[in-house]
Amino acid sequence: KNEVEQSPQNLTAQEGEFITINCSYSVGISALHWLQQHPGGGIVSLFMLSSGKKKHGRLIATINIQEKHSSLHITASHPRDSAVYICAVSYYGGSQGNLIFGKGTKLSVKP
Amino acid sequence: EAQVTQNPRYLITVTGKKLTVTCSQNMNHEYMSWYRQDPGLGLRQIYYSMNVEVTDKGDVPEGYKVSRKEKRNFPLILESPSPNQTSLYFCASSFTGSSGYTFGSGTRLTVV
Repeated sequence: KNEVEQSPQNLTAQEGEFITINCSYSVGISALHWLQQHPGGGIVSLFMLSSGKKKHGRLIATINIQEKHSSLHITASHPRDSAVYICAVSYYGGSQGNLIFGKGTKLSVKP
Repeated sequence: EAQVTQNPRYLITVTGKKLTVTCSQNMNHEYMSWYRQDPGLGLRQIYYSMNVEVTDKGDVPEGYKVSRKEKRNFPLILESPSPNQTSLYFCASSFTGSSGYTFGSGTRLTVV
């Protein structure tokens, strides 16, 4: 069974800092997703990756298929980035729609 | 506006009383899914559907039923709710299981 591990579990940063959140998984995947969940509970899909790198504003997501590892970077962090960031994968050998989730990284950005 | 609509947002019910949580999307997405979120356990997939009349179990399907009679709707049915089904539930949709997801606002269910 595929396991998805995220680190760190909790992260506190000062406004303006560069932030990295890591996600590792144990078997081959067909896609990896990064999600954001704000304190109010709503979930937003940030990125879907199967290779390489994607960028959206101050957020950058990378994936290394050989190392089974993905990172989410936030440049020039801001208090509004405070949220839980969740990594999820769909894996080969499972149905394309079967997602396995990491437990999330709680980010707090202080002004 | 493209969205996934879940209802109700909050629900308190008693053990054994059948309930349905509705989920509807207006984006013509083929893929829909249900998740529950619990402290310390994170998000876990309950059921998903790749298209009309096609559903499959996720990691925690016990005690739940789903149906996909139309593309836009994917209701979650609890035939006989129990207190261990108290949780925060999310519905989501995407064009395919591997494309970006749109999530509903969540349903906080309490079973007493």
